[in-house]
Amino acid sequence: GQQLNQSPQSMFIQEGEDVSMNCTSSSIFNTWLWYKQDPGEGPVLLIALYKAGELTSNGRLTAQFGITRKDSFLNISASIPSDVGIYFCAGQMGAGGTSYGKLTFGQGTILTVHP
Amino acid sequence: DTGVSQNPRHKITKRGQNVTFRCDPISEHNRLYWYRQTLGQGPEFLTYFQNEAQLEKSRLLSDRFSAERPKGSFSTLEIQRTEQGDSAMYLCASSLQRGFYNEQFFGPGTRLTVL
Repeated sequence: GQQLNQSPQSMFIQEGEDVSMNCTSSSIFNTWLWYKQDPGEGPVLLIALYKAGELTSNGRLTAQFGITRKDSFLNISASIPSDVGIYFCAGQMGAGGTSYGKLTFGQGTILTVHP
Repeated sequence: DTGVSQNPRHKITKRGQNVTFRCDPISEHNRLYWYRQTLGQGPEFLTYFQNEAQLEKSRLLSDRFSAERPKGSFSTLEIQRTEQGDSAMYLCASSLQRGFYNEQFFGPGTRLTVL
């Protein structure tokens, strides 16, 4: 079945550092989304990407949709302690101008920020 | 608060018992999704509804699982004859699907523990 490979699995950084994580797939996706999840809570949507090559920012977050539609990356600039959590990429397929329903998630990147 | 809500937040049950979870989506959203998440993994798709119609079910959704969205608003997920392997976080998400635009917003989840 479809799989998203997310790397790195975990990161330990100092406050103020920049972070980069990425996601690759053997399948083409029409939409890539990035979520953040805190312990015991549901994922929170950070950024959605709809066009190949698209670069989108949301505050200190920047994400790009790969040209091949098989990969995406997420950058966090000037990390702060509240950036701690698990970051997931998710891909969604579609056809005929309509998205299909399900999201396929990566395994997650655990981010730890040391003050 | 107009986000996705789920009840209960936690459920502890004995093996063999039936359990039912409820999800209330964001009010204008036409799609509603159920996912399951085990420790250290990303969410896995179970099923989704467009209005009251159940459009897709994962092979993960065994015969013991049933989901309904009777009036196209809230949804219930029932697990019959629970097994220890059913222990997981059950996440609900909703979206307003318009063409390819289909950003899914998650609720806080229901944590199920089967003893």
